[in-house]
Amino acid sequence: QITLKESGPSLVKPTQTLTLTCIVSGFSVTTRGVGVGWIRQPPGKALEWLALIYWDDDERYSPSLKNRLTITKDASKNEVVLTMTNMDPVDTATYYCAHRPAAGSLGQYDYWGQGTQVTVSS
Amino acid sequence: QSALTQPASVSGSPGQSITISCTGTSNDVGHYDNVCWYQQHPGKAPRLMISDVRSRPSGVPDRFSGSKSGNTASLSISGLQAEDEADYYCCSFTTSRSVIFGGGTKLTVL
Repeated sequence: QITLKESGPSLVKPTQTLTLTCIVSGFSVTTRGVGVGWIRQPPGKALEWLALIYWDDDERYSPSLKNRLTITKDASKNEVVLTMTNMDPVDTATYYCAHRPAAGSLGQYDYWGQGTQVTVSS
Repeated sequence: QSALTQPASVSGSPGQSITISCTGTSNDVGHYDNVCWYQQHPGKAPRLMISDVRSRPSGVPDRFSGSKSGNTASLSISGLQAEDEADYYCCSFTTSRSVIFGGGTKLTVL
């Protein structure tokens, strides 16, 4: 059974760096073809794709946020970490991590975490 | 890059059929057959309903179907049921090797 669970601070101040962790089970982040992505959703608004890391450490980023994002994985912990620098109130959102199956397209996520709410406020 | 364009809302009565459109450009929807559709109920994580334009993951009812013509993809739902009431989002792979989502469509089952 594949599960993902996001963890991180619920409140960050403007200009701070956000670090979110996605702990996965039921698959390995090093399984050939697999990817783990991050998607966010501001309150009442649409989904926004942020980044994905493949089993082989290849990384993909949203062009509009690329300069602020870093995605990494820790095979020993079977987890994926997303960092976002220079946080702003417009970054207030629910942040989801999700499993991209082997041979799936970049936007194809078949298992999702429950999401973690992040508020940016001083 | 701007979000894919979806109608803000659609509605239908139980048993009827509806279609949700998703319009992009030649750099995304029109370029690749990597269009996905997600269903999201309030307070829940999205659920993958369609991948690669028309493929249904295991467990998705065959009442849901996808198609594409040029820069526009579509999600059709036949035999509407009350539980289909949700927000629906399309997404596409892009020529910048990223993913773009649509603005979302609220489906109301009357």
